Amino acid sequence: EDKVVQSPLSLVVHEGDTVTLNCSYEVTNFRSLLWYKQEKKAPTFLFMLTSSGIEKKSGRLSSILDKKELSSILNITATQTGDSAIYLCAVGEYGNKLVFGAGTILRVKS
Amino acid sequence: GAGVSQTPSNKVTEKGKYVELRCDPISGHTALYWYRQSLGQGPEFLIYFQGTGAADDSGLPNDRFFAVRPEGSVSTLKIQRTERGDSAVYLCASSSRQGMNTEAFFGQGTRLTVV
Repeated sequence: EDKVVQSPLSLVVHEGDTVTLNCSYEVTNFRSLLWYKQEKKAPTFLFMLTSSGIEKKSGRLSSILDKKELSSILNITATQTGDSAIYLCAVGEYGNKLVFGAGTILRVKS
Repeated sequence: GAGVSQTPSNKVTEKGKYVELRCDPISGHTALYWYRQSLGQGPEFLIYFQGTGAADDSGLPNDRFFAVRPEGSVSTLKIQRTERGDSAVYLCASSSRQGMNTEAFFGQGTRLTVV
């Protein structure tokens, strides 16, 4: 059965800290790995990764994929209270569906 | 529209009733997805439309669930004989890229509560 596992389940940090969120996967037909940020209800797209070892960066967020280890990390530097959210990792399969992990709940304290 | 629109935002219904959840995708997006998210879990795939046809409905949990997209735009997810276990947030997403599930844009979801 395809699965995506995220760790830690939850994390509390102080503003200014750096955090690393982990995602590992076991899927039959890997196409891509995506990260989403979920506040309230709608997940918002952060990154899509398809190639190993190439870092994607957007402001204080960055992510990288390791296809050999079947994993990805999402880094957030200089965290702010606005970064508090659930971070979802999903794997896109051939056949067009996304398989999501349970998410990491991040809380940034001021 | 500017984004994916879902209505209603909240729905409370009694066990055994029928409900319809609506999704209006981003204009021009040919791919449309329904997901269901229970508390503390990630979204779970239900069904994917490419145009008017359901390209993959393998995630629908049973025959009480059905979805349509008759004109290739708005989609309706229909749940018959609702059960308390159907309570969840139902998310819709759309994408412009045929054959790919990248950069899917999600709506705000419908929170369904079956009492």
